[in-house]
Parts: sequence; structure tokens; C-alpha cells
Amino acid sequence: GDSVTQMEGPVTLSEEAFLTINCTYTATGYPSLFWYVQYPGEGLQLLLKATKADDKGSNKGFEATYRKETTSFHLEKGSVQVSDSAVYFCALSEDDSWGKLQFGAGTQVVVTP
Amino acid sequence: EPEVTQTPSHQVTQMGQEVILRCVPISNHLYFYWYRQILGQKVEFLVSFYNNEISEKSEIFDDQFSVERPDGSNFTLKIRSTKLEDSAMYFCASRIQGTGYTFGSGTRLTVV
Repeated sequence: GDSVTQMEGPVTLSEEAFLTINCTYTATGYPSLFWYVQYPGEGLQLLLKATKADDKGSNKGFEATYRKETTSFHLEKGSVQVSDSAVYFCALSEDDSWGKLQFGAGTQVVVTP
Repeated sequence: EPEVTQTPSHQVTQMGQEVILRCVPISNHLYFYWYRQILGQKVEFLVSFYNNEISEKSEIFDDQFSVERPDGSNFTLKIRSTKLEDSAMYFCASRIQGTGYTFGSGTRLTVV
């Protein structure tokens, strides 16, 4: 079945450091890929998405490129802020009719001043 | 910006009791979902709902669980006889086709 694997956390960084969170997936078809963010005490918010190969999603300085050849969707940000401290979830949706999301385990990111 | 509203934000219930978690999806959305997140674990799909019926459910969604859209605005998740392992954050979400999800902020269910 479909699955999403992402790097384990926590990832601890200093402010202005470069952030990469690896995400790889297995899917039978051509899924849409997503990054969701969960700030402390809050729900899930869509950070960015890509719906086909080579698409790049971007938002708030974060980027991820849909790489079909490596089945990856790594999240990157060039210069993190303390406010980026959160849990980041990679997810895929195989069936656009019903849109069920399959999530990775989540990666906690802690940014220190 | 439209929101998905979940109530209550935190519910404590005794093992064996019935609990109903409530959600108000965005008004023009047609697809509704419940997900849960046990503390420290991944977010898991429970059920999807469209056109007043369940369209898909996971293995977690057994006979103890049910969903209902009683009045065209609310979308509820009922757990008939709660177990300790039902303790989790439950997220409601809604969408229209071709768009992404909007998640609610969740209900933290604690079964004691």
C-alpha cells in the first residue's frame, strides 16, 4: 500500500540555519504530495503541495520539489526563524475522488535563537 | 478566511462511556473527514464522508465508531464505548474536489 517515510526528529537548528527534512513515498499511481505543519497546540495547516512530477511547491520561504525518479518530496528552507519551530508532516493523496491523506510520522523542528 | 470548527477542544471521559465529537465544516465543502493522532504518533485516517454516506473507512474505524451529518451543517464522530486507547487528538477536515483540506484545530480526547 501507499506509505510515506520522513526523517525522524527532533531536528534542532540555530536561527538562520538551512533546514532540510527528507520525505520519500511509495505509491501505486501518481499521487499529490503535501507538507503540513502543526504549531504547538494547533491543528494541521497546509504548508505547500505539488500535484505532478517536477512541480515545486513553495510557501513562507519553504520549498519542495516532486521528484518522481527518486520518489521524494524533501522540504527545504534557506534561513529558519524561531517561529518555524513546529512539527512538519509529509503526506500524499492517491485518490483525488475521496482525497484520503496518508501521513508520514512527522518531524519536530526546534529552532533556537 | 473560512474555518472548520471543532468542539470541544478538550474532552475527558470515563472508559466505557459514549462520546460525540462535533465539527462544523466549511459551508460549501462536500467531502468530510476524521483523522486522529495518538500522542507522539502519526496522523491516521479514520473515515471519509460524501453525499451523506461513508465513502471510505480505515481498519481503526470499527463498529464502535460512527459518523453523522445530522442537520446539513454539523459533522459528528461518535465513539460508543470508549477505550483507553481511544485517547488521541481527533481532527475534522473538509474539502471540495480539486482543492486541499481545511483541518479543524482538533479535539483532544482523554479516556480515563
